[in-house]
Amino acid sequence: QVQLRESGPGLVKPSQTLSLICTVSGGSFSSGGYYWSWIRQHPGKGLECIGYSDYSGTTFYNPSLESRVTISVDTSKNEFSLRLNSVTAADTAVYYCARVSVTAYYGMDIWGQGTTVIVSS
Amino acid sequence: DIQMTQSPSSLSASVGDRVTITCRASRHINNFLNWYQQQPGKAPKLLIYAASTLQSGVPSRFSGSGSGTSFTLTISSLQPEDFATYYCQESYTTPPNLTFGGGTKVEIK
Repeated sequence: QVQLRESGPGLVKPSQTLSLICTVSGGSFSSGGYYWSWIRQHPGKGLECIGYSDYSGTTFYNPSLESRVTISVDTSKNEFSLRLNSVTAADTAVYYCARVSVTAYYGMDIWGQGTTVIVSS
Repeated sequence: DIQMTQSPSSLSASVGDRVTITCRASRHINNFLNWYQQQPGKAPKLLIYAASTLQSGVPSRFSGSGSGTSFTLTISSLQPEDFATYYCQESYTTPPNLTFGGGTKVEIK
């Protein structure tokens, strides 16, 4: 079955760019009916949807992060990525990638295990 | 933007108890409401979508109801593995913001 796995640096310096990749395995990344999303969870806090993209690159971003976020897809590699510019300590969080199912009312039905990113000098 | 408010923020219950969690939307969202369970240290898991449809593989002791602005998640008989944090999420707007509620932590009494 479809599995997702996040990868990327666990430590990023303030003002730099956070870059993560989510690799999709066990299924077709280019099939319709799905979006590919990034979610984050600040330490001890709730969930925040950063944004999502379909396989063709049509994106939606959380308005609170839109000026700093880019989500892109690479269908040849079955992966999608997150770039978050100008990070501060407030961007320290666990970052998850997840599949969004349109038929499940945009429910996130498959998740990666999450990766912790700390912003610190 | 649609705001999602869950209550209570935490509760204590015993194995076998019936547990109800409420989620309210700041405006009408029809039945565009999903529920998740997050166990400590793990990724969230989709439990229910469209307010009341059980995701494949989810035990039938979980149920969801509601429409419009008020929704509930009910666990009919709490099991040890159900002690976790539960989140609601709206998906009403076009495109949807996928805003989550603040979460409800279910703890052992």
